[in-house]
Amino acid sequence: GDSVTQMEGPVTLSEEAFLTINCTYTATGYPSLFWYVQYPGEGLQLLLKATKADDKGSNKGFEATYRKETTSFHLEKGSVQVSDSAVYFCALTSSGSARQLTFGSGTQLTVLP
Amino acid sequence: DGGITQSPKYLFRKEGQNVTLSCEQNLNHDAMYWYRQDPGQGLRLIYYSQIVNDFQKGDIAEGYSVSREKKESFPLTVTSAQKNPTAFYLCASSLSGTGDHEQYFGPGTRLTVT
Repeated sequence: GDSVTQMEGPVTLSEEAFLTINCTYTATGYPSLFWYVQYPGEGLQLLLKATKADDKGSNKGFEATYRKETTSFHLEKGSVQVSDSAVYFCALTSSGSARQLTFGSGTQLTVLP
Repeated sequence: DGGITQSPKYLFRKEGQNVTLSCEQNLNHDAMYWYRQDPGQGLRLIYYSQIVNDFQKGDIAEGYSVSREKKESFPLTVTSAQKNPTAFYLCASSLSGTGDHEQYFGPGTRLTVT
């Protein structure tokens, strides 16, 4: 079945550092790929998405490119802020009729001032 | 404001009791979902519904039940048959269960069973 593997955390960075969170996937067909963010005690919010190969999703300074050849969707940000501290989830939807989300295990990011 | 509400935020129950978690949305979405989140893990799908009066089991449906009598409501019952019910439960909705429609999440209910 479909699966998502993302780098284990926790990740701790200083403010203004460069961020990369790796995400690779296994899926049949042509999945859509997502990054969700979860702030402490809250539900998930969609951060960005990409629906086909070579698409780049971007939002709030975060970017991720859908790489079909390497089955990856790595999240990057050039300069993180303390307010970016959260748990980040990579996810995909299957290409079947019911597009359920399959999530990675999440990566805790802490940004220190 | 449109959105998804889940109540209560924290819920405590004794082992052996059934408990129902509320999920309401006013986004006029057709599809609704229930996920379970455990520490250090991603979300796992419990049940989903693509339309009123219809729902499907997800990956971990055992010990749970749902109903979808109204478009805006999708309550989840955690029964006494669920072996490890303590978890954070998240409800979500999307415009449709097909296509690449974003899923919008509620704030979650943290259930503790002792």
